[in-house]
Amino acid sequence: AQTVTQSQPEMSVQEAETVTLSCTYDTSESDYYLFWYKQPPSRQMILVIRQEAYKQQNATENRFSVNFQKAAKSFSLKISDSQLGDAAMYFCAYRKGGRGNTPLVFGKGTRLSVIA
Amino acid sequence: DAGVIQSPRHEVTEMGQEVTLRCKPISGHNSLFWYRQTMMRGLELLIYFNNNVPIDDSGMPEDRFSAKMPNASFSTLKIQPSEPRDSAVYFCASSLERQVEQFFGPGTRLTVL
Repeated sequence: AQTVTQSQPEMSVQEAETVTLSCTYDTSESDYYLFWYKQPPSRQMILVIRQEAYKQQNATENRFSVNFQKAAKSFSLKISDSQLGDAAMYFCAYRKGGRGNTPLVFGKGTRLSVIA
Repeated sequence: DAGVIQSPRHEVTEMGQEVTLRCKPISGHNSLFWYRQTMMRGLELLIYFNNNVPIDDSGMPEDRFSAKMPNASFSTLKIQPSEPRDSAVYFCASSLERQVEQFFGPGTRLTVL
């Protein structure tokens, strides 16, 4: 079974600084997707960024970027120029690829605090 | 364009009562997922449907839980009888078959006293 591990239950960062959240996963599949979701206090699940396993180039979305190390099964999220609105729970998630849709497997999450 | 709709947003009930959570997926989406979020176990899949057919219900905790999808625009998750340990946030998500992203509803916070 696939597993996702986030080893940092809590992180903090100064406003305008950069922070990196860690995630590792375990799978025997070659076709899969990886995601970072943000969950603010409103509890809405918001997709931050995604990565297709077959793509070598790391995904970026504005201030958010990932470091995808396929051989090491590592998928970290870097937030640059941190803002107060970035404070939230962040979940790393995995989804098997292939035909049809498949469910997400989540890590336990990292709570990010942003200090003004 | 409306997203995934869940109702109720909050539910408080007493142990032993029946609870029904409802989900309306995004129009046209043919996959629907029910997830549960607790402090102890995090986010975990309960059951998912493709084209209204249950594909994997191995995450359903026990027989007290049941889910249905009578048509493409509606799904229910029922707990009967409810227990305090069922207290959690229940999320519904939907997607298109060949779509990478899943779209989440706002969740239902269930409290069983």
